[in-house]
Parts: sequence; C-alpha cells; structure tokens
Amino acid sequence: NAGVMQNPRHLVRRRGQEARLRCSPMKGHSHVYWYRQLPEEGLKFMVYLQKENIIDESGMPKERFSAEFPKEGPSILRIQQVVRGDSAAYFCASSPGTGSLGYTFGSGTRLTVV
Amino acid sequence: QQPVQSPQAVILREGEDAVINCSSSKALYSVHWYRQKHGEAPVFLMILLKGGEQKGHEKISASFNEKKQQSSLYLTASQLSYSGTYFCGTEPRKSGGGADGLTFGKGTHLIIQP
Repeated sequence: NAGVMQNPRHLVRRRGQEARLRCSPMKGHSHVYWYRQLPEEGLKFMVYLQKENIIDESGMPKERFSAEFPKEGPSILRIQQVVRGDSAAYFCASSPGTGSLGYTFGSGTRLTVV
Repeated sequence: QQPVQSPQAVILREGEDAVINCSSSKALYSVHWYRQKHGEAPVFLMILLKGGEQKGHEKISASFNEKKQQSSLYLTASQLSYSGTYFCGTEPRKSGGGADGLTFGKGTHLIIQP
C-alpha cells in the first residue's frame, strides 16, 4: 500500500506561471482534502472532494485556484498566475469516508514562487 | 472557526508528562489528533467521536468533553520520539448529519530533551 502520493515534492515557479499539484489517494479512499501550510502555522483547509464532485471549497481563494478529482486519475490542485504569497507547503489527505476515520496525509508539495 | 490549542509550546525532559488542550466554539462531531515532525507529513494519532470518550495509543491518550467542546491530549513518560508539532482537527456537527473536512488548530510545539 503506497499511501497518499503527491508530486512533485518541490516545485519552483516564476510569478505569473501556473502550478499543478497532483495527489493520488490511498487505494480504497474516495475522499480527498487539500490543505495549505505556511511556516510556523497550522494546516489551513482549502477544499474537500469526492470523485467528480467538489463537496466543500470554502477555503479556496475565489480567484486563480481550482481543484478537481476526476473519475480516473489523481486529484489536481491548480494555481494560475502564481504570486509570491502562494509559496507554501500544500498537503493532500485522503480518507475512506467521513466520520470515524482519520486522514492519511501525503508528503506535501513545497511550492516556491520566485 | 479554527479550534484554539494551548499551550503554544512545551519543553520537557525525557520521562516527563504533558497535556495539550484543544477547544472549539462550535458543537463538535469529532476531534482528531495528529503529530507532524519538521519537514514531514502530519501523522494520524487518534480520533474521538463521543462525549467523554477516551482513547489510548501507547503512552499517548486523549479525552473529549463534548459538552465543553474540548479535547485534551495526554503524553505520559515522554520519549525523544514524541518531539514534534501536535495538531487537533475538529469536525463540526451538522444539522443534517455527517461532517465536512477538518479544521486544524495552529499546533503545539513539543520539544523533548534528554
């Protein structure tokens, strides 16, 4: 069981470019969550998805950010026209369902905008 | 609403005990606890679902006071490996049942010295 796979591990983008972060959940997990973490801060919720559905995107900035979890393939967090303030660690987590089950986190993607 | 964790940081000698608190302004469906070491992914420790529930994991246990909307994590006879940042994550109770993604506190830094 490979766990939650995130790639790339590190991503450097120039201001104005697009960043695409990928997350493959654990086998058997149909719920995916994206979190953002700044140094010395907690995990800030961004979006919660199930296959082909966005369940809760209340933590996503209204512009430039989007997320999807297609029927086939990994979940993608897309940041268009990146700015320096987007630099952070982005973690993906998955679970088999809500309620009584903990999340399994991926190793994260560290985005640096130069 | 982000849960409030206290203390922000704890420094202990190996073998000492610690308590980390987490409180929420919302009625809770569940409380999760995670530990994150520097540069790594958060790791699930335990989940508490029912008021008064206590769970244990080696020498790490937790309680959940549903009425007070609080949870506490207890680390007894701490080991060097317990060092890291501890996060509580809360799921608010929804009127229609079920739950959304976790909202995490800012974390408690735990440093264990030999």
